Amino acid sequence: EDKVVQSPLSLVVHEGDTVTLNCSYEVTNFRSLLWYKQEKKAPTFLFMLTSSGIEKKSGRLSSILDKKELFSILNITATQTGDSAVYLCAVNNNDMRFGAGTRLTVKP
Amino acid sequence: DTEVTQTPKHLVMGMTNKKSLKCEQHMGHRAMYWYKQKAKKPPELMFVYSYEKLSINESVPSRFSPECPNSSLLNLHLHALQPEDSALYLCASSQDRGGFSYEQYFGPGTRLTVT
Repeated sequence: EDKVVQSPLSLVVHEGDTVTLNCSYEVTNFRSLLWYKQEKKAPTFLFMLTSSGIEKKSGRLSSILDKKELFSILNITATQTGDSAVYLCAVNNNDMRFGAGTRLTVKP
Repeated sequence: DTEVTQTPKHLVMGMTNKKSLKCEQHMGHRAMYWYKQKAKKPPELMFVYSYEKLSINESVPSRFSPECPNSSLLNLHLHALQPEDSALYLCASSQDRGGFSYEQYFGPGTRLTVT
């Protein structure tokens, strides 16, 4: 059975901290792994990863994929209160399978 | 324009009502999706349309009936729903369903309450 597992499920940090969110997967016909940020409504797209070892970066966020060990990490440096959200990992394998998400709370 | 729009934003309906959710995108995407998301849970895929044809139905009850009138529009017709169907219904689109990889753009969702 295909599965996508995120950890931790929730995380509380203070502004300025660096966080690492994890996503591991076991799926057939892997095509890509995507990270989304969800605040109150729709998930907003962050990164799509298809190749191992190539870091994607956008401002304070970065992500990398390891297709041998079947996981990805999302790093956020110098966290801000606006980073508080649920971060969803999804794997595209003909369908889109989402992990349960990591709820990040950044305190002032 | 990377926007997916959904109407209505909120919907309250009784178990005997018939209503429809609408989704629209003008990005030229050829794949469109319906997801259901319960509180504090990840989105769950319901239906996938690819080139206006239904390609995936994830064992969704028949009281949910999708329709894709053209490449920009996606509807979800609702009939005889149950209170447990109350959820956020998200529409998404992507360039294509096939190919090596794609990213999905989500609409803001319709929050549905069944009374």
